[in-house]
Parts: sequence; C-alpha cells; structure tokens
Amino acid sequence: EPEVTQTPSHQVTQMGQEVILRCVPISNHLYFYWYRQILGQKVEFLVSFYNNEISEKSEIFDDQFSVERPDGSNFTLKIRSTKLEDSAMYFCASSPSEQYFGPGTRLTVT
Amino acid sequence: AQTVTQSQPEMSVQEAETVTLSCTYDTSESDYYLFWYKQPPSRQMILVIRQEAYKQQNATENRFSVNFQKAAKSFSLKISDSQLGDAAMYFCAYRSAETSGSRLTFGEGTQLTVNP
Repeated sequence: EPEVTQTPSHQVTQMGQEVILRCVPISNHLYFYWYRQILGQKVEFLVSFYNNEISEKSEIFDDQFSVERPDGSNFTLKIRSTKLEDSAMYFCASSPSEQYFGPGTRLTVT
Repeated sequence: AQTVTQSQPEMSVQEAETVTLSCTYDTSESDYYLFWYKQPPSRQMILVIRQEAYKQQNATENRFSVNFQKAAKSFSLKISDSQLGDAAMYFCAYRSAETSGSRLTFGEGTQLTVNP
C-alpha cells in the first residue's frame, strides 16, 4: 500500500541554522500539507499546497517558513533561522480526500 | 473559525471492554467531514474512521464506530472489545467540505490506556 514518507526521522540543529524537512507524498495525490505537533500538544496546521502553490497557510507559517515541490515527487518544508520553540514533530500529509500522514520528523533545536 | 474540543484528557478501559471517547466541535458550515486519528507512542498519525456530515448513518470500521449527532455537534468514538494495541492518543479532527484540500483542525487529544 502506498504511503507518505519523510526524511530525516530526527534532525538536531542549532538555533539560528536552516533546516529542510523532506516528504514524498503518495504519487497520485494532489494536495500536500505540513502540520506540526509540539510535544504534549495537539497537531497544528501549517500550510497546504496545491498545483505548485500555497493554497492556505496558518498564522504560524510566517516568513521563517517556506515550502517547495522541487521535482515531481518531493515536497519540502524549509525553516530559516530556527528558534528553540520550533522544536516539534513535523508531519507531512497528502490527500485526494482523506489526509494520509507520514511518520513525522522530530526536529530538536538546541 | 472551526474548533474541536475533546474534554477527556485521559481515559482507561479494561481489555475486551468497551470505551467511548467524546468530541464536540463548532462550525457554521453545513458540509464537512469528521475524523478520528490514532497516535501510538511511535507518534505516527493513523486514520481510524471518517464521517461525512451529510450522512445520517454512523460510520463503522470493525471494532470502531462513531455516534454522530449533527444538531448537537457531537462526534464520539466507541471502541468495542478493546485490545492492548488500542492504547494510544486519539485525536478528533474536522475538515470543511466546502473547499477542496482544506486543513484538518484537531482537538487536544485523549490518551487511552488499556489495562490487561
């Protein structure tokens, strides 16, 4: 069964550094999403992407964040100049209708 | 804006028994979807069940069923014959059906413990 994959599974970075989180959505899905979950809290929407552009973004998704679909398979989330409070689990999801989640990337900012 | 509320931070159930997790939501929309996701310790988000708001019949998936009360804006999950593998965090989620590809809005989650 096709699934969403994410790399890396765990990323440790120093405050102020840039990180790129990678996702490979399910191949025939058209909508892509990023969510984050700070430890012990609920899952929060960051951004959705359709037809090579952002279709919706939350108030969390400020200028520090960007998304890109650099080729036909990858979907990336870039965080510029990471802060301590960016430490969280980042989930990628893709959908035709139901959203299927990847296993997540645990980002730790030290 | 839509909101989802799960008022039970923790629940426990004996193995083989039945447990019901509560969820309420607030929306002004008439067309939407509701979901339950399971998050085990691995933190993977696993879709358990989905309900379309226009359907009166409650969704079922094997041991999982929902009680969808549209007028009350209530969407509870019933797990029958609970198994040790059901132990996880459960999130209720809402998605608008009025725009394609719209976001999921999650509740705070309910941590379910299954006792042997």
